[in-house]
Amino acid sequence: KAGVTQTPRYLIKTRGQQVTLSCSPISGHRSVSWYQQTPGQGLQFLFEYFSETQRNKGNFPGRFSGRQFSNSRSEMNVSTLELGDSALYLCASSFAGNTEAFFGQGTRLTVV
Amino acid sequence: AQSVTQLGSHVSVSEGALVLLRCNYSSSVPPYLFWYVQYPNQGLQLLLKYTSAATLVKGINGFEAEFKKSETSFHLTKPSAHMSDAAEYFCAVSQKNTGNQFYFGTGTSLTVIP
Repeated sequence: KAGVTQTPRYLIKTRGQQVTLSCSPISGHRSVSWYQQTPGQGLQFLFEYFSETQRNKGNFPGRFSGRQFSNSRSEMNVSTLELGDSALYLCASSFAGNTEAFFGQGTRLTVV
Repeated sequence: AQSVTQLGSHVSVSEGALVLLRCNYSSSVPPYLFWYVQYPNQGLQLLLKYTSAATLVKGINGFEAEFKKSETSFHLTKPSAHMSDAAEYFCAVSQKNTGNQFYFGTGTSLTVIP
C-alpha cells in the first residue's frame, strides 16, 4: 500500500511569489491535514479537509489556503511568500477523524 | 483547549539504558494521545496511540507508554536503547469528534551514546 506522497520534496521561492504544494493521501483515506514545522514554532496545524470540505483551520493568515479534490488529493497554496514561511510542510492522511494520521515526508520550502 | 508539554528538549542515554521521554497534556475532555518519531528530513512515523482503551499502550520498536489520568501524563519508555532510536520524538493530543487536528509538543531530541 503506497504511503502519503508529497510533491515536490524541495522548493525554493522568492519573496512575494506564490507556491502550491501537493499531497496524495493513502488510498481510501478521506481526511487530509496540513502542518507547518519550523525550528522556532515547532509543528503547527494549518487546516484539515474531509470529503472536499475544510473541517478545521489553524491560526494562520489568509495567505495560506487549501483545497481537496474528489479523489481526496489535496493542495495547499501560500500567496505573497514571506521569509518566515520557510519551513517543512507536512501532510497527513487518515481514514476518518481521530484515528492515527500517516504523514508524508514533507515539502521543504525555502523563501529567499 | 488542548496542549502538550514535553519536558526536556534533549535527552541522552547510553546504548542499552532505559529511555524515558516525558509528556504531559492538558485537555478539558478525555483526549486521544499519540507518540510520533521523526528522523532527519523525514515525516512523522506513529509509534503508538492511546484512544481510551488499555492505559498501557505498546508500540513499535519496543516502545510503550502509560496513560495516567491523575497525573495527566503519557510518558514514553523503552527498556533498552538502541543506536537506531536516535531521533526526534513528538507527543501529540487530539480530541474525539474534532477531526484530525493534532496539537504537538515541542519535541525531544534523543541521543544514544555508544
